[in-house]
Amino acid sequence: GQQVMQIPQYQHVQEGEDFTTYCNSSTTLSNIQWYKQRPGGHPVFLIQLVKSGEVKKQKRLTFQFGEAKKNSSLHITATQTTDVGTYFCAVDNDMRFGAGTRLTVKP
Amino acid sequence: NAGVMQNPRHLVRRRGQEARLRCSPMKGHSHVYWYRQLPEEGLKFMVYLQKENIIDESGMPKERFSAEFPKEGPSILRIQQVVRGDSAAYFCASSPKGSGGIQYFGAGTRLSVL
Repeated sequence: GQQVMQIPQYQHVQEGEDFTTYCNSSTTLSNIQWYKQRPGGHPVFLIQLVKSGEVKKQKRLTFQFGEAKKNSSLHITATQTTDVGTYFCAVDNDMRFGAGTRLTVKP
Repeated sequence: NAGVMQNPRHLVRRRGQEARLRCSPMKGHSHVYWYRQLPEEGLKFMVYLQKENIIDESGMPKERFSAEFPKEGPSILRIQQVVRGDSAAYFCASSPKGSGGIQYFGAGTRLSVL
Protein backbone atom coordinates (compact mmCIF):
# COMPACT_ATOMS: atom_id res chain seq x y z
CA GLY A 1 0.00 0.00 0.00
CA GLN A 2 0.96 3.61 -0.27
CA GLN A 3 3.18 5.18 2.35
CA VAL A 4 1.73 7.83 4.62
CA MET A 5 4.14 9.70 6.84
CA GLN A 6 2.91 11.92 9.61
CA ILE A 7 5.19 14.29 11.49
CA PRO A 8 5.98 15.07 14.18
CA GLN A 9 5.17 12.00 16.22
CA TYR A 10 4.86 14.04 19.40
CA GLN A 11 4.41 17.73 20.10
CA HIS A 12 4.31 19.38 23.48
CA VAL A 13 3.29 23.02 23.58
CA GLN A 14 2.50 25.69 26.09
CA GLU A 15 -1.14 26.73 26.10
CA GLY A 16 -1.55 29.59 23.67
CA GLU A 17 1.19 28.44 21.31
CA ASP A 18 0.45 27.27 17.80
CA PHE A 19 0.70 23.67 16.61
CA THR A 20 1.08 22.08 13.18
CA THR A 21 1.07 18.47 12.07
CA TYR A 22 1.93 17.30 8.57
CA CYS A 23 0.87 14.32 6.52
CA ASN A 24 2.94 13.33 3.50
CA SER A 25 2.20 10.71 0.89
CA SER A 26 4.46 9.07 -1.65
CA THR A 27 1.66 9.14 -4.21
CA THR A 28 -0.95 11.62 -5.38
CA LEU A 29 -4.07 11.44 -3.29
CA SER A 30 -7.68 11.81 -4.31
CA ASN A 31 -8.65 13.00 -0.86
CA ILE A 32 -7.43 13.18 2.69
CA GLN A 33 -9.27 13.12 5.99
CA TRP A 34 -8.25 14.27 9.44
CA TYR A 35 -9.38 12.70 12.69
CA LYS A 36 -8.83 13.50 16.35
CA GLN A 37 -8.63 10.95 19.14
CA ARG A 38 -8.79 12.16 22.71
CA PRO A 39 -6.90 10.14 25.32
CA GLY A 40 -8.91 7.03 26.09
CA GLY A 41 -11.39 7.84 23.33
CA HIS A 42 -12.05 6.89 19.76
CA PRO A 43 -11.16 8.71 16.52
CA VAL A 44 -13.59 11.40 15.50
CA PHE A 45 -13.80 12.82 12.00
CA LEU A 46 -12.73 16.45 11.64
CA ILE A 47 -12.55 17.31 7.93
CA GLN A 48 -12.11 16.00 4.42
CA LEU A 49 -10.05 17.74 1.75
CA VAL A 50 -10.51 16.93 -1.90
CA LYS A 51 -9.28 19.76 -4.11
CA SER A 52 -5.72 20.73 -4.89
CA GLY A 53 -4.62 23.65 -2.71
CA GLU A 54 -7.82 23.49 -0.69
CA VAL A 55 -7.89 25.31 2.64
CA LYS A 56 -10.63 24.81 5.19
CA LYS A 57 -11.04 26.37 8.60
CA GLN A 58 -12.86 25.25 11.72
CA LYS A 59 -12.53 27.95 14.38
CA ARG A 60 -8.86 27.76 15.43
CA LEU A 61 -8.09 24.81 13.14
CA THR A 62 -6.84 25.32 9.59
CA PHE A 63 -6.54 22.39 7.20
CA GLN A 64 -4.62 22.56 3.95
CA PHE A 65 -4.23 20.20 1.00
CA GLY A 66 -1.07 20.65 -1.04
CA GLU A 67 -1.09 21.79 -4.66
CA ALA A 68 0.28 18.44 -5.77
CA LYS A 69 -2.19 16.58 -3.53
CA LYS A 70 0.61 14.68 -1.88
CA ASN A 71 0.65 16.39 1.48
CA SER A 72 -1.60 18.06 3.97
CA SER A 73 -1.32 20.02 7.16
CA LEU A 74 -3.42 20.75 10.20
CA HIS A 75 -2.63 23.95 12.06
CA ILE A 76 -4.07 24.93 15.42
CA THR A 77 -3.81 28.56 16.46
CA ALA A 78 -3.44 29.40 20.14
CA THR A 79 -3.78 25.89 21.51
CA GLN A 80 -6.02 25.15 24.45
CA THR A 81 -6.00 22.21 26.84
CA THR A 82 -9.07 20.88 25.04
CA ASP A 83 -6.91 20.36 21.95
CA VAL A 84 -5.01 17.54 23.68
CA GLY A 85 -5.15 14.28 21.78
CA THR A 86 -3.76 12.48 18.79
CA TYR A 87 -4.39 13.82 15.31
CA PHE A 88 -4.48 11.32 12.47
CA CYS A 89 -4.64 11.75 8.74
CA ALA A 90 -6.29 9.08 6.63
CA VAL A 91 -5.81 8.79 2.92
CA ASP A 92 -7.65 7.78 -0.10
CA ASN A 93 -8.86 4.54 -1.41
CA ASP A 94 -7.56 2.19 1.21
CA MET A 95 -8.14 4.52 4.18
CA ARG A 96 -4.77 3.90 5.76
CA PHE A 97 -4.11 6.08 8.75
CA GLY A 98 -0.91 7.91 9.49
CA ALA A 99 0.83 7.09 12.75
CA GLY A 100 -0.62 10.23 14.29
CA THR A 101 0.76 13.25 16.09
CA ARG A 102 0.25 13.23 19.82
CA LEU A 103 -0.34 16.74 21.13
CA THR A 104 0.02 17.65 24.76
CA VAL A 105 -0.69 21.13 26.05
CA LYS A 106 0.74 22.57 29.22
CA PRO A 107 -1.63 25.00 30.93
CA ASN B 1 -29.69 7.90 14.76
CA ALA B 2 -27.50 5.65 16.87
CA GLY B 3 -23.79 5.73 16.24
CA VAL B 4 -21.53 2.79 15.66
CA MET B 5 -22.05 0.34 18.48
CA GLN B 6 -19.31 -1.96 19.63
CA ASN B 7 -19.60 -4.58 22.31
CA PRO B 8 -18.33 -5.56 24.64
CA ARG B 9 -16.45 -2.43 25.68
CA HIS B 10 -14.02 -4.49 27.69
CA LEU B 11 -13.22 -8.16 27.22
CA VAL B 12 -10.92 -10.28 29.33
CA ARG B 13 -9.78 -13.63 28.03
CA ARG B 14 -7.24 -16.20 29.11
CA ARG B 15 -4.64 -17.44 26.72
CA GLY B 16 -6.08 -20.00 24.35
CA GLN B 17 -9.66 -18.79 24.59
CA GLU B 18 -11.65 -17.20 21.80
CA ALA B 19 -12.58 -13.54 21.59
CA ARG B 20 -15.60 -12.29 19.64
CA LEU B 21 -15.93 -8.59 19.05
CA ARG B 22 -19.12 -7.17 17.64
CA CYS B 23 -19.79 -4.05 15.66
CA SER B 24 -23.15 -2.68 14.58
CA PRO B 25 -22.64 0.02 11.95
CA MET B 26 -24.63 3.20 11.73
CA LYS B 27 -28.01 2.83 10.10
CA GLY B 28 -27.66 2.87 6.34
CA HIS B 29 -23.94 2.12 6.36
CA SER B 30 -22.86 -0.96 4.49
CA HIS B 31 -19.09 -0.55 4.79
CA VAL B 32 -17.24 -1.67 7.91
CA TYR B 33 -13.59 -1.36 8.83
CA TRP B 34 -11.73 -2.93 11.73
CA TYR B 35 -8.60 -1.41 13.26
CA ARG B 36 -6.29 -2.44 16.03
CA GLN B 37 -4.54 0.03 18.31
CA LEU B 38 -1.83 -0.70 20.83
CA PRO B 39 -1.32 1.78 23.70
CA GLU B 40 0.35 5.00 22.57
CA GLU B 41 0.35 3.81 18.95
CA GLY B 42 -1.57 4.51 15.77
CA LEU B 43 -4.47 2.73 14.11
CA LYS B 44 -3.49 -0.38 12.24
CA PHE B 45 -5.90 -1.34 9.49
CA MET B 46 -7.05 -4.94 9.68
CA VAL B 47 -9.97 -5.59 7.37
CA TYR B 48 -12.60 -3.88 5.24
CA LEU B 49 -15.95 -5.54 4.68
CA GLN B 50 -19.20 -4.91 2.95
CA LYS B 51 -22.33 -6.91 3.55
CA GLU B 52 -21.45 -10.59 3.09
CA ASN B 53 -18.13 -9.73 1.45
CA ILE B 54 -14.56 -9.26 2.58
CA ILE B 55 -13.15 -6.51 0.40
CA ASP B 56 -9.65 -6.14 1.82
CA GLU B 57 -8.14 -8.27 4.55
CA SER B 58 -4.53 -7.38 3.89
CA GLY B 59 -4.07 -6.17 7.47
CA MET B 60 -5.35 -9.32 9.11
CA PRO B 61 -2.94 -11.87 10.55
CA LYS B 62 -3.13 -15.03 8.48
CA GLU B 63 -3.88 -17.28 11.43
CA ARG B 64 -6.38 -17.11 14.27
CA PHE B 65 -8.12 -13.94 13.04
CA SER B 66 -11.28 -13.82 10.98
CA ALA B 67 -14.00 -11.31 10.25
CA GLU B 68 -17.47 -11.38 8.82
CA PHE B 69 -20.29 -8.99 8.06
CA PRO B 70 -23.41 -11.06 7.47
CA LYS B 71 -26.49 -9.95 5.65
CA GLU B 72 -28.28 -9.63 8.96
CA GLY B 73 -26.66 -8.69 12.24
CA PRO B 74 -23.43 -7.07 13.32
CA SER B 75 -19.97 -7.48 11.95
CA ILE B 76 -17.88 -9.89 13.98
CA LEU B 77 -14.12 -9.91 14.51
CA ARG B 78 -13.10 -13.29 15.84
CA ILE B 79 -9.78 -14.12 17.42
CA GLN B 80 -9.14 -17.76 18.15
CA GLN B 81 -6.66 -19.07 20.71
CA VAL B 82 -5.78 -15.61 21.96
CA VAL B 83 -2.26 -14.80 23.09
CA ARG B 84 -1.03 -11.95 25.27
CA GLY B 85 0.12 -10.06 22.21
CA ASP B 86 -3.50 -9.77 21.08
CA SER B 87 -4.21 -7.39 23.96
CA ALA B 88 -5.17 -4.09 22.36
CA ALA B 89 -8.06 -1.79 21.58
CA TYR B 90 -10.03 -2.89 18.55
CA PHE B 91 -11.99 -0.19 16.79
CA CYS B 92 -14.70 -0.62 14.24
CA ALA B 93 -15.71 2.13 11.84
CA SER B 94 -18.58 2.30 9.41
CA SER B 95 -19.05 4.38 6.31
CA PRO B 96 -21.91 5.05 3.93
CA LYS B 97 -19.59 4.48 1.03
CA GLY B 98 -16.29 2.82 0.36
CA SER B 99 -13.42 4.70 -1.12
CA GLY B 100 -13.06 8.16 0.36
CA GLY B 101 -16.05 7.85 2.65
CA ILE B 102 -16.01 9.43 6.08
CA GLN B 103 -15.51 6.82 8.77
CA TYR B 104 -17.56 6.88 11.94
CA PHE B 105 -15.88 5.04 14.78
CA GLY B 106 -17.29 3.04 17.61
CA ALA B 107 -16.00 3.40 21.15
CA GLY B 108 -13.85 0.31 20.72
CA THR B 109 -13.38 -2.97 22.53
CA ARG B 110 -10.45 -3.20 24.91
CA LEU B 111 -9.23 -6.78 24.88
CA SER B 112 -7.03 -7.98 27.71
CA VAL B 113 -5.48 -11.42 27.52
CA LEU B 114 -4.32 -12.86 30.81
